Amino acid sequence: QKEVEQDPGPLSVPEGAIVSLNCTYSNSAFQYFMWYRQYSRKGPELLMYTYSSGNKEDGRFTAQVDKSSKYISLFIRDSQPSDSATYLCATSYRNFGNEKLTFGTGTRLTIIP
Amino acid sequence: GAVVSQHPSWVICKSGTSVKIECRSLDFQATTMFWYRQFPKQSLMLMATSNEGSKATYEQGVEKDKFLINHASLTLSTLTVTSAHPEDSSFYICSARDAGLVTDTQYFGPGTRLTVL
Repeated sequence: QKEVEQDPGPLSVPEGAIVSLNCTYSNSAFQYFMWYRQYSRKGPELLMYTYSSGNKEDGRFTAQVDKSSKYISLFIRDSQPSDSATYLCATSYRNFGNEKLTFGTGTRLTIIP
Repeated sequence: GAVVSQHPSWVICKSGTSVKIECRSLDFQATTMFWYRQFPKQSLMLMATSNEGSKATYEQGVEKDKFLINHASLTLSTLTVTSAHPEDSSFYICSARDAGLVTDTQYFGPGTRLTVL
């Protein structure tokens, strides 16, 4: 069993729709949860990070963590074509700056104009 | 946000040759850098953790003699793929730790695509 499971998609939604991306993890020792966006042939870009259960909002993006069910989500409101990318969830045991990150496989998202 | 660069962005080499990839933190000092490998349609897999001035720590299954890592300064780490073979063809991505005052964060480079013929 992979430590972090993520539906690889692909996922296509019309512009303006709300996008929901999800991951599950198996190790309850994971404490930090991140979402990265990766455009084709580019390195991942950090979108959101959180270390507690609940919601964290940043503009059109909301990260949600439920530690009791080991479930993490990223919601994108008012989706734009520029949001088309692969979205990776990641976890770490402690502060993720100095820690090994465990990534999901990534979900490829396409926003249709 | 902080900027991490990689050079080259892509490289094609013959089987048996060695290839060096550079990872630089441009506007911050990185005591720790990480090297990842990403195969098509797969996630990033950590290869090794590089700490400035000391030997790298390799993940299980990664050959340290094949993937040489040097972190000689606080802004530069290099990954050398020695005697490269076609199965080493992959997307290699580094990240660098910015232990700032507010947050302790890893920033990723743009990646290097290696093709071994």
